[in-house]
Amino acid sequence: KAGVTQTPRYLIKTRGQQVTLSCSPISGHRSVSWYQQTPGQGLQFLFEYFSETQRNKGNFPGRFSGRQFSNSRSEMNVSTLELGDSALYLCASSSFSGGWGDEQFFGPGTRLTVL
Amino acid sequence: AQSVAQPEDQVNVAEGNPLTVKCTYSVSGNPYLFWYVQYPNRGLQFLLKYITGDNLVKGSYGFEAEFNKSQTSFHLKKPSALVSDSALYFCAVRDRGPSNTGKLIFGQGTTLQVKP
Repeated sequence: KAGVTQTPRYLIKTRGQQVTLSCSPISGHRSVSWYQQTPGQGLQFLFEYFSETQRNKGNFPGRFSGRQFSNSRSEMNVSTLELGDSALYLCASSSFSGGWGDEQFFGPGTRLTVL
Repeated sequence: AQSVAQPEDQVNVAEGNPLTVKCTYSVSGNPYLFWYVQYPNRGLQFLLKYITGDNLVKGSYGFEAEFNKSQTSFHLKKPSALVSDSALYFCAVRDRGPSNTGKLIFGQGTTLQVKP
């Protein structure tokens, strides 16, 4: 099976712009989670989608949003970009066949740089 | 609230020696525990997990971890380190107690450096 894919791999934006990141989960996986990774804050949970519904949300401002489509592909959007949004954004998918004990499979990430 | 602590920012070991990367956790109920590894410019790769049952869990690439409920720890171990094991290691926990939100919480990460 193909792994989790994320596009684009690299993005450079300026403050105030908005950005959309895309994630294609492993075939058959219905749960998609997003994480922000920075050197200072480490890995922080953004949100999780399951069957097109947001099931969990982390402590991020409303500028961060996401959605999941019927084919389980997911997008996350960040509006009004700030310098502090520069990070590696990771997407992870899970089949959830074993419930919360299932491991997640991560994509390579999208490196966002905000200038 | 659930949390994970990896007390060491970096662990240095010589190739061939045993390695331990420490992890302690705090949850309201019983935990699901995971270890992931991240190589430079890559996403995270799953190593192993504890769900229930035997406290010693074996995973990928010769790694194992021991769940210790009384010490709320889940240390990652390997009997003989390889230079190629050098990477960033993350411990993660998901609470399955009454306050379970399904969120997977990660520790800050430990850089493992294996010297030849």
